[in-house]
Amino acid sequence: SQQGEEDPQALSIQEGENATMNCSYKTSINNLQWYRQNSGRGLVHLILIRSNEREKHSGRLRVTLDTSKKSSSLLITASRAADTASYFCAPISKTSYDKVIFGPGTSLSVIP
Amino acid sequence: EPEVTQTPSHQVTQMGQEVILRCVPISNHLYFYWYRQILGQKVEFLVSFYNNEISEKSEIFDDQFSVERPDGSNFTLKIRSTKLEDSAMYFCAEGTGSTTGELFFGEGSRLTVL
Repeated sequence: SQQGEEDPQALSIQEGENATMNCSYKTSINNLQWYRQNSGRGLVHLILIRSNEREKHSGRLRVTLDTSKKSSSLLITASRAADTASYFCAPISKTSYDKVIFGPGTSLSVIP
Repeated sequence: EPEVTQTPSHQVTQMGQEVILRCVPISNHLYFYWYRQILGQKVEFLVSFYNNEISEKSEIFDDQFSVERPDGSNFTLKIRSTKLEDSAMYFCAEGTGSTTGELFFGEGSRLTVL
């Protein structure tokens, strides 16, 4: 498996604004997942996008995937203070059942 | 949705003592993982476990660490002789083994070594 690299490392926005985080990876994937970690808590799976998909929505989350550029983005619309957390992307290789490797993540702060 | 349960939530131990951390699996999950997160650092992979044996382990997972799933029940991580640098949050994660590779994490066990 491979580690995704999230960008930016930190992001601070006002409540109600949109937050966009980016992820880059290096080799071909089966799918790409996004996880959230609230401070001191376990990681929570947010959304999965398969390699043959370009965009996916789940509630206020929108994920895009560009396999030609080996990149993905996570958009959180109308952010809330409760969205304050670290966000991680996880590129899953075609040889699945593999471990998930987490990068440093994007630390999102939503200011009320 | 079923939750992955970890115990204890917090353990304080003296250096050199043995520690066992436990994870109660969800019934249809076949793949198990332990991760570690030192305060302020990223989540690090320790070990993966499938069919009652280790599938893969990281450099962190040295001889002081062991995992087992006795009687097909709880999935445990044992640290034989704790060191100060073992202080961290330890997360259990599980997967169904589907090709999507989605993981379900527990809330973690905070280990403090004095």
